[in-house]
Amino acid sequence: QKEVEQNSGPLSVPEGAIASLNCTYSDRGSQSFFWYRQYSGKSPELIMSIYSNGDKEDGRFTAQLNKASQYVSLLIRDSQPSDSATYLCAVKGRGGANSKLTFGKGITLSVRP
Amino acid sequence: DTGVSQDPRHKITKRGQNVTFRCDPISEHNRLYWYRQTLGQGPEFLTYFQNEAQLEKSRLLSDRFSAERPKGSFSTLEIQRTEQGDSAMYLCASSTYPKNTEAFFGQGTRLTVV
Repeated sequence: QKEVEQNSGPLSVPEGAIASLNCTYSDRGSQSFFWYRQYSGKSPELIMSIYSNGDKEDGRFTAQLNKASQYVSLLIRDSQPSDSATYLCAVKGRGGANSKLTFGKGITLSVRP
Repeated sequence: DTGVSQDPRHKITKRGQNVTFRCDPISEHNRLYWYRQTLGQGPEFLTYFQNEAQLEKSRLLSDRFSAERPKGSFSTLEIQRTEQGDSAMYLCASSTYPKNTEAFFGQGTRLTVV
C-alpha cells in the first residue's frame, strides 16, 4: 500500500479557475504536510506547509488538512499558465525514524490560457 | 549562501563506472537528505544525516551506494558499478533539527547510465 496517494491526473483547468489537488496518507502518526511544485526537469520547490487541522492561506494558495480523514489538499485560486507544473504532496512523521519526507507520485496541472 | 547546491548538474557515465555527487546544504542546516526521482514518480528517500551521523538508510540504498558527510557540512553520494537502472535525478535537501523546518531541495544531479 502506497503511503501517500495523489489522485490520478493530469488535471487541466482554464486560466482564472480554481485548481483542487488532493492527497491522502496512510500513517496516522504523520505530523507535517507539505506541497512542492516541480517544473519539468527542475527540482521540487516548497510552496506550502501545514501542521494542524484546518486551512492555511498564502496568496493564491490554500492548504487544507484533515487529520481524522488523513487528507490534505491544495487549492490554487485564479490559476495562471505559470502554475502549470507537477505538484507533489509530502508527509513527514513525528520524528526520529520518521524524519524523512514521503512523497506521492505527483499530479500534473495544466492551466489553459 | 542562498540555497542547497549540488554538483554536477548532469552526469553521463558508462555502465560499470563509479560516480560521485556532491551536495552543499544551506549553511545553518544540520540535516541533509538524499532522494532519488525517476520519471513520473515522486522523490524516493535514500538516506539522511544529522550533522555527520547517518541516521537512516532506505532499503533502496543497495551496497553499491554509499553516502558520507564527514564534517557535518557537505555530503557526497557515491554509486559504484553503475547500472542502467541507476539512471535518475538525485536530489539533496536540507533542514534544521530540532527546530525542524521545512526541507529545501537543491537543483539535483541528473544521472544517465549508458
